[in-house]
Parts: sequence; structure tokens; C-alpha cells
Amino acid sequence: QVRLVQSGAEVKKPGASVKISCKASGYTFTAYDIHWVRQAPGQGLQWMGRIDPNTGATKYAQNFQGRVTMTGDTSIKTVYMELIGLSSDDTAIYYCARPTATTSVWFDPWGQGTLVTVSS
Amino acid sequence: SSVLTQPPSMSVAPGKTARIPCGGDKVGSDSVHWYQQKPGQAPALVIYYDTKRPSGIPERFSGSISGKTATLTISTVAAGDEADYYCQVWDSNSDVYVFGPGTKVTVL
Repeated sequence: QVRLVQSGAEVKKPGASVKISCKASGYTFTAYDIHWVRQAPGQGLQWMGRIDPNTGATKYAQNFQGRVTMTGDTSIKTVYMELIGLSSDDTAIYYCARPTATTSVWFDPWGQGTLVTVSS
Repeated sequence: SSVLTQPPSMSVAPGKTARIPCGGDKVGSDSVHWYQQKPGQAPALVIYYDTKRPSGIPERFSGSISGKTATLTISTVAAGDEADYYCQVWDSNSDVYVFGPGTKVTVL
């Protein structure tokens, strides 16, 4: 079955960077974009951007432009999301998610989430 | 880009019907999708393309559109339906994905 498995929780200091992985299985990795969505504690969902693992093309939400980089490694069917210049406002659960079909604009499945805690 | 509105919370008695609205200027022109998120879990798709139900989602969950408001309806609400519900659209003009603020549904 289609699965997205994310890397484990991270604790970072303000100003540091974090790089989270999302490993895909059960489908043709290069056929589907991977999106990243974050959720601050007690807050809603915020779309961060997407990557086409086949071409490496990315689209980032304006709020994260200049701070986020999404990359992929087709050899191990894994995409990465790196966020730099962390502040306490970046404390959140970060999810990767895949469109249901190649042309879908909705997400299913989702990864299990990665908690990033930014604290001095 | 698009902005979606949802009531922050609602309460419903077991066996009754919950109707969760999602408003926005893109609703009706761009399709709306709905997610259920239970505490400690990732979101799960319950309705896509305004009205369609993924396999495995009970028929008690349905979606509709009227004007600029999409509605997720949960019939015969049960305790297991207690969760946060988010609507989502893809803004085709700006190629960004937008989530509503979420509605917390409490089953009395």
C-alpha cells in the first residue's frame, strides 16, 4: 500500500536549521508531487509547498520563501524539507502528503508527522 | 490568495446531524476537500471534489456546495466523529493550497 514515513522528532535552538525526510513506498515515486504541511500547537494546517520528485521543481508558499528548501533523492524514494533560521514560531508538527492521483489537488495519504521543537 | 472561513467549534448530540460550513470566494469555482483530524493523528481525507467520498469513508459523511459555501454533513453523529475538520482548496490563480481554520466538533 501507499505509505509515507517521516523521520523522527527534532529539537533545535533558535537560529538553527532542520531537515526532515519523508520516505515513500508502494507507488511510482517520480509520478507524484510531495507536499509539506505544518501545524503549530493547537493551530490549524498551513501549506508550505511542494516538490516534483521527478524534475526537482518546487513551489513554495510565500510565507516560507527564502527559508525553506525541498529536495528529493529518487534512488531512495525520499524527499526532504529543510527550514532555516528557526524561531519558536516554527515549533510545529510537519507533515508530508501526497495527492491521491497525479492530477489531484487534495491529499491522501499523509505521513505520520514530525514534531520540531525550537527552544533555547 | 484565497481565504476560507469556518466556525471554530460546534457541539452535536449523538445520533443528530452536524453541518460544518466552509465559506470563501473561491468556493464554487475551485473544488473543496475535507479532512478529519483526531487528536495525535495526521489529517485524513473524508470528502474530495466537493461531494465525493473516498473508499472506506462511511456514507454518513457527505459534502455539498451552495453558492460560496461548502458544507460537510455528518449524519447520525457518534462519539468517534469527535475531531477537528478542515476544508481545503487549491487556488488555481496563484497555484497555492489553502486550508480553512478548522472546526472542532464535540459530541455531547
